[in-house]
Amino acid sequence: EAGVTQSPTHLIKTRGQQVTLRCSPISGHTSVYWYQQALGLGLQFLLWYDEGEERNRGNFPPRFSGRQFPNYSSELNVNALELEDSALYLCASSLFRSKETQYFGPGTRLLVL
Amino acid sequence: AQTVTQSQPEMSVQEAETVTLSCTYDTSESDYYLFWYKQPPSRQMILVIRQEAYKQQNATENRFSVNFQKAAKSFSLKISDSQLGDAAMYFCASAYSGAGSYQLTFGKGTKLSVIP
Repeated sequence: EAGVTQSPTHLIKTRGQQVTLRCSPISGHTSVYWYQQALGLGLQFLLWYDEGEERNRGNFPPRFSGRQFPNYSSELNVNALELEDSALYLCASSLFRSKETQYFGPGTRLLVL
Repeated sequence: AQTVTQSQPEMSVQEAETVTLSCTYDTSESDYYLFWYKQPPSRQMILVIRQEAYKQQNATENRFSVNFQKAAKSFSLKISDSQLGDAAMYFCASAYSGAGSYQLTFGKGTKLSVIP
């Protein structure tokens, strides 16, 4: 069984640009979570999508947004990139009946110059 | 809100020995879950073990086991017969279904080194 996949693996952008990160959940999983892992800040919850809807978001500005598609894959969009957005962005998925148990993808490393 | 605290930033263990990683948490919820995740240098976050708060029995997965002390809000991870591949960052995490959200709250992590 394939795990959670994310693309791209690495990304370099400059301040003010926009970026889109992609995530495909494990087959059969309907929930997708996004987390940011920045140096010195640990792992922080960004967004939760379930059944195509945004269900909850963490303490991040509105320039962090995303969506979930009918096939349950998801995109994370970050507008007006700032230097502090440099981080590892992790996507996780979970089953409908076990939403708390999340399986992670390999992450996308974003560097903002 | 939940908080998770890992008080050991770094630990080391000799290969084949046993090591225990500490974690404490704080929550006012009665229905919650606790996890240990492993993040090796490859960055892939791997689920090691899961504990449901209402279950008194400690979870076990092969060489990995937990000591869940609910009253003390403690959730330590024991790794037996440590192997070189166990070297990684270990994160303790909690989740609850409050407000219909299941996001994980992570501790700062413990870096485990395995000495050959």
